[in-house]
Amino acid sequence: AQSVTQLDSHVSVSEGTPVLLRCNYSSSYSPSLFWYVQHPNKGLQLLLKYTSAATLVKGINGFEAEFKKSETSFHLTKPSAHMSDAAEYFCVRKTSYDKVIFGPGTSLSVIP
Amino acid sequence: DTAVSQTPKYLVTQMGNDKSIKCEQNLGHDTMYWYKQDSKKFLKIMFSYNNKELIINETVPNRFSPKSPDKAHLNLHINSLELGDSAVYFCASSQDPRLKIYNEQFFGPGTRLTVL
Repeated sequence: AQSVTQLDSHVSVSEGTPVLLRCNYSSSYSPSLFWYVQHPNKGLQLLLKYTSAATLVKGINGFEAEFKKSETSFHLTKPSAHMSDAAEYFCVRKTSYDKVIFGPGTSLSVIP
Repeated sequence: DTAVSQTPKYLVTQMGNDKSIKCEQNLGHDTMYWYKQDSKKFLKIMFSYNNKELIINETVPNRFSPKSPDKAHLNLHINSLELGDSAVYFCASSQDPRLKIYNEQFFGPGTRLTVL
């Protein structure tokens, strides 16, 4: 079955330290992959997307993600966490126009 | 200049009632979606319309009926509300995903539905 796995339901980092949010997908071919962020009581905002043009994708607010086909991963990173990064992060996969699968989400806490 | 708007933001109602949530987008997109986010933050797509045509219809109780009067609006009507319908409902829009699979979706702020 097609799926998206976010290995950590919750990640806590100190302000100024690196962020790593993990995402793995199951697929027999390269999907389109997205990372969205949801701040408390807000809608979802696109951080970045993988479209097969480049394996390293840069997004907004200093986030980036690297597509690794051999590992079926699309982990989200940021060199230095900011307090405003505290939010819920969703890895999303599309294999066709009508197959949109959200990961379970990772809650990121940033400690001052 | 809100891109995707939903009304109401909060909806509290009794079991058995019928309610509607409205969604409008001013991005010129031709595809709109409804998602349900449960208490554990899990998001699941419910419906998708393209130019008023239903293109995604996941396994959702037929008490839920989407209505698209035009491509800028996709309303969600729910009949005979049940306790399990309590959730946050998100509307989203995008350019036609059948043209480019990586067309991203733009989300509204959500409607928190509480059924008592």
